[in-house]
Amino acid sequence: AQSVTQLDSHVSVSEGTPVLLRCNYSSSYSPSLFWYVQHPNKGLQLLLKYTSAATLVKGINGFEAEFKKSETSFHLTKPSAHMSDAAEYFCVVSEPNKAAGNKLTFGGGTRVLVKP
Amino acid sequence: DTGVSQNPRHKITKRGQNVTFRCDPISEHNRLYWYRQTLGQGPEFLTYFQNEAQLEKSRLLSDRFSAERPKGSFSTLEIQRTEQGDSAMYLCASSLGRTAPEPQHFGDGTRLSIL
Repeated sequence: AQSVTQLDSHVSVSEGTPVLLRCNYSSSYSPSLFWYVQHPNKGLQLLLKYTSAATLVKGINGFEAEFKKSETSFHLTKPSAHMSDAAEYFCVVSEPNKAAGNKLTFGGGTRVLVKP
Repeated sequence: DTGVSQNPRHKITKRGQNVTFRCDPISEHNRLYWYRQTLGQGPEFLTYFQNEAQLEKSRLLSDRFSAERPKGSFSTLEIQRTEQGDSAMYLCASSLGRTAPEPQHFGDGTRLSIL
């Protein structure tokens, strides 16, 4: 069975400073990992994905994440936060499953607050 | 790419009533998923379709819930005899079905409120 733990439920940063969102996963197989962002009352937007290629993954809006198998981590970073980055972020794991397609398992989410 | 479309965006109903939600996936996507998201939580998987076949249902999907995808295009999710605990955001996602995992594209969801 797969699971995801997001280590911080809330993160507060000042505009222009780095952002770090921490994620640990558990999986029986070689997983695919994703980060999604959700703005209020909206659906989820894909930021980036890891699918067993390069361990450092670059996404949209300046975000990137590093897959570390030895630490079972997939932390999300951005060098300089913008006000528009204020949202909820979800770390997601997917295992291929013939019956369930690529069913996603979500972490509990990290709410990011950006202070001016 | 017109994206995944969900209707209605909001639904308010009295306990005990039936409700139906619709999802129109991205046209070339053969996989369709339903998730439920309660306040302050991440989405949870409900069910999955490959074309018109419903291949998996979560134990979260009680017998009051039924989902269909009759022609392998749009899908409906019906909840019968709604209960307070059904209040949530219901999200639909679609993806291509390939060997390598394809990202799922989400709609904006239907927010259900039970009075």
